Amino acid sequence: GQQLNQSPQSMFIQEGEDVSMNCTSSSIFNTWLWYKQDPGEGPVLLIALYKAGELTSNGRLTAQFGITRKDSFLNISASIPSDVGIYFCAGQLGTGNQFYFGTGTSLTVIP
Amino acid sequence: DAGITQSPRHKVTETGTPVTLRCHQTENHRYMYWYRQDPGHGLRLIHYSYGVKDTDKGEVSDGYSVSRSKTEDFLLTLESATSSQTSVYFCAIKGRVGEQYFGPGTRLTVT
Repeated sequence: GQQLNQSPQSMFIQEGEDVSMNCTSSSIFNTWLWYKQDPGEGPVLLIALYKAGELTSNGRLTAQFGITRKDSFLNISASIPSDVGIYFCAGQLGTGNQFYFGTGTSLTVIP
Repeated sequence: DAGITQSPRHKVTETGTPVTLRCHQTENHRYMYWYRQDPGHGLRLIHYSYGVKDTDKGEVSDGYSVSRSKTEDFLLTLESATSSQTSVYFCAIKGRVGEQYFGPGTRLTVT
């Protein structure tokens, strides 16, 4: 299957700091999705991107669909303790209806 | 949450027994998916459905079967559970603009 490389694998940051993470693929995707997952819960969709170059915000979160269509980025500004969790990306190829997932970035926010 | 429920939420079963997990959605979405999530592997597609009685295999379909006799229900069956099938199982739907939403998950333990 398609491999999505997500980095970093984990982050430990101070409250108030900004966070950046990214996802890259060897294939061209036509949709990029970003999720947050808390322990024992299902993934929650944060942002969906549909066009190369698209920049979309959801509160303190901003995500971008890379121009090459092989990558995507998620930024979190002014982190707070409730941002703790695992963030992961997902992408969908131009054909088919399957989604492919990164292995996640574990975020720890130190108060 | 796209109106997705999963049942049961937790199950412990013995090796060799059959197990059926249910996913129910209330918003008439065409596409439904079953994933398993394991440490170090992220989310992996087991099977998906693109309509009533229309299903296709995913990356890790061996040992699993699915059925969809109604739009709202997508069943995942482990014909003879094995310890390697201990995992958290998530159902998902594809939304109207190509995004994907997940259910709350079922934690399955095979002893």
